[in-house]
Amino acid sequence: AQSVAQPEDQVNVAEGNPLTVKCTYSVSGNPYLFWYVQYPNRGLQFLLKYITGDNLVKGSYGFEAEFNKSQTSFHLKKPSALVSDSALYFCALYNFNKFYFGSGTKLNVKP
Amino acid sequence: EAGVVQSPRYKIIEKKQPVAFWCNPISGHNTLYWYLQNLGQGPELLIRYENEEAVDDSQLPKDRFSAERLKGVDSTLKIQPAELGDSAVYLCASSPEAGTGELFFGEGSRLTVL
Repeated sequence: AQSVAQPEDQVNVAEGNPLTVKCTYSVSGNPYLFWYVQYPNRGLQFLLKYITGDNLVKGSYGFEAEFNKSQTSFHLKKPSALVSDSALYFCALYNFNKFYFGSGTKLNVKP
Repeated sequence: EAGVVQSPRYKIIEKKQPVAFWCNPISGHNTLYWYLQNLGQGPELLIRYENEEAVDDSQLPKDRFSAERLKGVDSTLKIQPAELGDSAVYLCASSPEAGTGELFFGEGSRLTVL
C-alpha cells in the first residue's frame, strides 16, 4: 500500500535558523516524491520533486529535500528560514497515476 | 502562461441546494484532477480525467457528485444536493500528461454549506 506520513502537525523555527519538515513514505516500487507549499486561501504550489538520481534535490525558494531510501524519508530543508516561508507544507507520493498526500505540516517562522 | 483558473472562489449555500464549480486548466494539459481539501488536511482525489475521459472516479460520491469535461478542456464539478459535510475547498489541478507527476493547482473554490 502507498502512503505518506508527516509526523509533525506544526514546526516552529526562528528566522535565520535552519528548518526541517519531515516526511516518510511507504510504496511498492520506486517512488516519485514531491513537496508542495500552500499559502492561506491559495492552491498548492510545487516546490521540488525526486524521481531518480542525486538524493539531494534542490527546489524553489531555496528549499531542498533529501531522499533516503533506507529510512524511507524525504525531509524538506532550508538552511536559513524566512518569515515569508510560513505556510502549510505537503509531502506527496506519486505512484501508478495517483498522488498520495500527507496531512500537512504548518511551518511557523518567527522574527 | 496562465495558470489553472477556478470559479467561484467562494460559495455559500444552504443545505439541499445545488452548486457547481468550474475549472479551466493550463492550455495543453491533458490530465485534469478534482480534489477535496478539508481544513488542515491534505487534498483527496475525487476524479481524474485524461482528456475527456474520467479514468479514476472511484472516490467520487456518485449519489450527489457529478463531473464532466466536455471537449477535454474545461471541467465542471457539481454537487446536488449539498450537505453540511460538503463544506470544504474544492481544488482543480492539471498536468501535461500522466506520468510526469507534477501538478499545477488552481486557487480553489471554498464551499460553505449552512
